[in-house]
Amino acid sequence: EVQLVESGGGLGQPGGSLRLSCAASGFTFSDYGMNWVRQAPGKGLEWLSYISGSGSLKLDADSVKARFTISRDNAKNSLYLQMNSLRGDDTAIYYCARGDVGTNQIFHYWGQGTLVTVSS
Amino acid sequence: ETVLTQSPATLSLSPGERATLSCRASQDVNIYLAWYQQKPGQAPRLLIYDASNRAAGIPARFSGSGSGTDFTLTISSLEPEDFAVYYCQQRKNWPPITFGQGTRLEIK
Repeated sequence: EVQLVESGGGLGQPGGSLRLSCAASGFTFSDYGMNWVRQAPGKGLEWLSYISGSGSLKLDADSVKARFTISRDNAKNSLYLQMNSLRGDDTAIYYCARGDVGTNQIFHYWGQGTLVTVSS
Repeated sequence: ETVLTQSPATLSLSPGERATLSCRASQDVNIYLAWYQQKPGQAPRLLIYDASNRAAGIPARFSGSGSGTDFTLTISSLEPEDFAVYYCQQRKNWPPITFGQGTRLEIK
């Protein structure tokens, strides 16, 4: 069974940093590209970043480019999102999401999400 | 960036009725459009991908149609558990992958 479990959310300071993790199980992690998607309170879904299975290709939304960095450790079956220069509008639930073979951008599987609150 | 516009914003129907949700893209996305359902406190769930393909385990009452810029999600006969928020998403013109703003399907 595919499982994605996010962690690392919590209270972040404006201008500060947080690192989110997504622990994957139930599949060969390195075979799949992975994504981060967020949802601000009461709002819709926003795609943030994609990383290929090998980690060699990374693509980001303009809203987080140069502030957020996606990475992965295939030996640990883990996906990460390093969030720097946090702002109030980064407050959201952050989901990791996986596609399927050849369709990395169709989100068949989602984690339960981790809440990030940016406030002083 | 491809903007997806969903209509209506809110749809009020009764169980047993037919629901028709619309998603319009600002540019051609071919058939590369998906639909998700989200219930309060839960992650989104994939319903339909590539315009008309049901995801694994999705009941047959959910169907999708369309291509190019106009797409429809139809729920043939609403069950109580279908009342939720629905999002469309395109993967043709990315990055960025974009979502619509959502349609809230509520009980009348």
